[in-house]
Amino acid sequence: DVKVTQSSRYLVKRTGEKVFLECVQDMDHENMFWYRQDPGLGLRLIYFSYDVKMKEKGDIPEGYSVSREKKERFSLILESASTNQTSMYLCASSPHRDSYNEQFFGPGTRLTVL
Amino acid sequence: DQQVKQNSPSLSVQEGRISILNCDYTNSMFDYFLWYKKYPAEGPTFLISISSIKDKNEDGRFTVFLNKSAKHLSLHIVPSQPGDSAVYFCAAPTNFGNEKLTFGTGTRLTIIP
Repeated sequence: DVKVTQSSRYLVKRTGEKVFLECVQDMDHENMFWYRQDPGLGLRLIYFSYDVKMKEKGDIPEGYSVSREKKERFSLILESASTNQTSMYLCASSPHRDSYNEQFFGPGTRLTVL
Repeated sequence: DQQVKQNSPSLSVQEGRISILNCDYTNSMFDYFLWYKKYPAEGPTFLISISSIKDKNEDGRFTVFLNKSAKHLSLHIVPSQPGDSAVYFCAAPTNFGNEKLTFGTGTRLTIIP
């Protein structure tokens, strides 16, 4: 069975803290994605990676960075958390480059920044 | 690039009746569209897709219709069941030769028993 896991379901952090969100997929997928979901705004792409050490900015990359050192793991980093980064964060993966693929999502991390 | 719009934030339907969720897109160069379903505190799951070589795709109680001239797709659920209560997102490729998807803002469907 296809599986995408995220390190935490719920996380509470303080303004200014550095935050790491981890995502692991066990399907040998090439592509991995980080989204945030906010009411009325749908799913917005933060960053995308199509290979180890390769990354591409999405629609809202400001305030975030990513790391992909291994094919199965994609990390989202909030360098200095702010209250406007309170959101649901969703990781996804899809099989191949250069094709329209169904994306498989993890369960999400609900991040609250105080 | 693609834009995807779901103009109804919410929809309530009686159990057993038909639910119709709508989605409009801007770029007719793309030929593949998807619907995802999301329960609270879970990640979205893929529901059904359609390629533009078809105008209809059916999977059990779920049917997606594509109207290319109107740049419009719709998801029909019949009969609607309480377990269908969720947020539904439509999605389309963001641009050519690309793995990225653009998602709509979602429609929250509530099935009334």
